[in-house]
Amino acid sequence: GQNIDQPTEMTATEGAIVQINCTYQTSGFNGLFWYQQHAGEAPTFLSYNVLDGLEEKGRFSSFLSRSKGYSYLLLKELQMKDSASYLCAVRPQRGGYNKLIFGAGTRLAVHP
Amino acid sequence: EAQVTQNPRYLITVTGKKLTVTCSQNMNHEYMSWYRQDPGLGLRQIYYSMNVEVTDKGDVPEGYKVSRKEKRNFPLILESPSPNQTSLYFCASSSYSGTSYNSPLHFGNGTRLTVT
Repeated sequence: GQNIDQPTEMTATEGAIVQINCTYQTSGFNGLFWYQQHAGEAPTFLSYNVLDGLEEKGRFSSFLSRSKGYSYLLLKELQMKDSASYLCAVRPQRGGYNKLIFGAGTRLAVHP
Repeated sequence: EAQVTQNPRYLITVTGKKLTVTCSQNMNHEYMSWYRQDPGLGLRQIYYSMNVEVTDKGDVPEGYKVSRKEKRNFPLILESPSPNQTSLYFCASSSYSGTSYNSPLHFGNGTRLTVT
């Protein structure tokens, strides 16, 4: 079957760096998304990776290794407002454009 | 402002009473989809639409209906709601042009539905 795994919860300190991992097993691969979701709100798009390597966007970076079925989201200089859930989602090859498989999300709590 | 608008935000209803959750987007997106989100589970797709009059089942379609008569609107219909449909629902849209796999989903603000 197709599966995405993320840690359920993480905690970190304001100003620090945190890495949120995501491993996936899917039938082929057409890209991986990271979304941020504050409690009770809509998910918002953070990043998309389809090639191996690191994509940097300000304080947030996302890494992909297709051979390992692995990605991580790196958050630097953590702020209190970064407390949220982070969702990993993979677009498998089978299923065409429509198919997008979401992980259950990682709830990050940032403490002063 | 580009957005996906869902209504209502909160809804409490009783078993068997038909309801509709509306969804509208102003970005001229071809693709629209409905998800439900439950604690400990990822977002699960209910139905999706690739364009006007083109809809198909997602992973958890039982008990739901949709229609896509206009490009901007994609309502979710529960003909006879049951307590196991208590959930947080999200509508989402994205542009689609055959191979645009990198187009992200834009989500509405969610509808929290409680069925008693």
